Amino acid sequence: DGGITQSPKYLFRKEGQNVTLSCEQNLNHDAMYWYRQDPGQGLRLIYYSQIVNDFQKGDIAEGYSVSREKKESFPLTVTSAQKNPTAFYLCASSITSRNTDTQYFGPGTRLTVL
Amino acid sequence: GQQVMQIPQYQHVQEGEDFTTYCNSSTTLSNIQWYKQRPGGHPVFLIQLVKSGEVKKQKRLTFQFGEAKKNSSLHITATQTTDVGTYFCAGGSTLGRLYFGRGTQLTVWP
Repeated sequence: DGGITQSPKYLFRKEGQNVTLSCEQNLNHDAMYWYRQDPGQGLRLIYYSQIVNDFQKGDIAEGYSVSREKKESFPLTVTSAQKNPTAFYLCASSITSRNTDTQYFGPGTRLTVL
Repeated sequence: GQQVMQIPQYQHVQEGEDFTTYCNSSTTLSNIQWYKQRPGGHPVFLIQLVKSGEVKKQKRLTFQFGEAKKNSSLHITATQTTDVGTYFCAGGSTLGRLYFGRGTQLTVWP
């Protein structure tokens, strides 16, 4: 909830262009996550990071890339290789990556590729 | 791979009726979390269950974790229009990850 920012709220891009979505947290959380949400599909994990300078692929990583150079920031790049990039993208963080830790979500970025 | 199945996908009720959503896993879960996403919003944590057979209540919401730790349910008594949204369960794999169900979208008619 509060403490995680994603910008912009809405983003429009032309097909074939890479686009980077920002995610910043001031909760001092070690773990950060990127999810994609499509109608009827729930939350699908794209990438996650347990600690700075380390990240792992989730269930649908193809066509996406991430970096974790700072604890507070976990940007997601949607590349032109992603075949169907139009979706609602949610960033989340948790104190650690243990599955008993609550995940706190940002407000999301709705990406539309024209 | 690990999957958490959630049903139903959609539920429409009249205000005052009860509502239940169910989550099932083919493997034993270490824990289960429930989140609510209001229309146009983002998921917000509601509760976590860890123990076999655990039952927790939050006002009109009752959460259960099955004895075998493979299923869970969320029951809302006497729904109100403020209950509208999508409810997600998220099961903790014994290997460490959290897996989200597809969610149940609840509509409440006044």
